[in-house]
Amino acid sequence: DTAVSQTPKYLVTQMGNDKSIKCEQNLGHDTMYWYKQDSKKFLKIMFSYNNKELIINETVPNRFSPKSPDKAHLNLHINSLELGDSAVYFCASSQVTGRGLFFGSGTQLSVL
Amino acid sequence: AQKVTQAQTEISVVEKEDVTLDCVYETRDTTYYLFWYKQPPSGELVFLIRRNSFDEQNEISGRYSWNFQKSTSSFNFTITASQVVDSAVYFCALRSASTDSWGKLQFGAGTQVVVTP
Repeated sequence: DTAVSQTPKYLVTQMGNDKSIKCEQNLGHDTMYWYKQDSKKFLKIMFSYNNKELIINETVPNRFSPKSPDKAHLNLHINSLELGDSAVYFCASSQVTGRGLFFGSGTQLSVL
Repeated sequence: AQKVTQAQTEISVVEKEDVTLDCVYETRDTTYYLFWYKQPPSGELVFLIRRNSFDEQNEISGRYSWNFQKSTSSFNFTITASQVVDSAVYFCALRSASTDSWGKLQFGAGTQVVVTP
């Protein structure tokens, strides 16, 4: 039933590890996003995909690699995790000309 | 460039008081959308309202009301008779109607609302 679902909800890992966060939407939207929320609650876009094509890449380190196997899925893979990567990562989807973004429940990433 | 300013970092009220959250935005677009989202302590982002730039009619939904003033580039949000469940971080956001922006939302820094019994 969930419109935008992302897993896992919590991710605790050591520096230097590689991890992935998965996102799926069942709304039939053509655009998906990754947003990062830092410790001060500031939300900033990282990536946007439209119909599996990368559209927006907001100067994110290339250790972050999004992958969109189809327009309903947008996964985020992070290599060589650093302490500064600790944040909440939100997946979202929308129709480009639609009403707004629908967000997943977030993934709390803690790098130790 | 687009910018959203929420000057109030935190607002504390006692239950049943009204609280108004300010949002001021900057954009060069003639057509755009404004949003408010709520982030309760559980962490999810909950959509509250979307307003088109060409529709300046104010809106009321239950205890929530929004005042859009294009002349001052403001989109303020009022919670009437606040309740403890209103305690959350509230984000104002701006989105260009241009397809070039691909629906990207520019968020303000958020305002933490604390409602005490």
